[in-house]
Amino acid sequence: SAVISQKPSRDICQRGTSLTIQCQVDSQVTMMFWYRQQPGQSLTLIATANQGSEATYESGFVIDKFPISRPNLTFSTLTVSNMSPEDSSIYLCSVFTGPYEQYFGPGTRLTVT
Amino acid sequence: DAKTTQPPSMDCAEGRAANLPCNHSTISGNEYVYWYRQIHSQGPQYIIHGLKNNETNEMASLIITEDRKSSTLILPHATLRDTAVYYCIVRVDGGYQKVTFGTGTKLQVIP
Repeated sequence: SAVISQKPSRDICQRGTSLTIQCQVDSQVTMMFWYRQQPGQSLTLIATANQGSEATYESGFVIDKFPISRPNLTFSTLTVSNMSPEDSSIYLCSVFTGPYEQYFGPGTRLTVT
Repeated sequence: DAKTTQPPSMDCAEGRAANLPCNHSTISGNEYVYWYRQIHSQGPQYIIHGLKNNETNEMASLIITEDRKSSTLILPHATLRDTAVYYCIVRVDGGYQKVTFGTGTKLQVIP
């Protein structure tokens, strides 16, 4: 199993500012995934982050808006840049500890005013 | 990844079996069926997965039809804590593949 923590758990931010979300895992993992869950919606994959290489972004998501860092095998950050109210969502990180076992963090609830 | 279709919502009486269906008619031979659930305000939780045989673990049972075009997740004795959104996903295994979530089924367990 994996224990994943995220910081902050929630935040209220003003339009035009940026927020960096941290994801910490209690074990070393190769790949980390960042998801967004807009209010009342399902999860949408933002990007896949490997240690030592640039993140791979899904269609509709760009690095300038959602820069990701992956400095080591237990940690990653996602920044939501130049925020607008449409960015109000829950942001979740996720890891695989094996080929089949996927775990999610508790999420960061972001509200943009 | 193949797409899945699930009913948007279901009710189940507490203590009864909850049977959640999923259609995945375009599933490929090398794609597995996975189930996750998301309890309100929490991250999704892995429940079970299978390829073509029925599977059971401490949380649930997974029944996959012989043609693999549909499956059913069974919670044998639903409790109020099982109220959640349940996601059925199909994906190719081989490790560490990204997972695409559909809209899921919101299960409400009623006292």
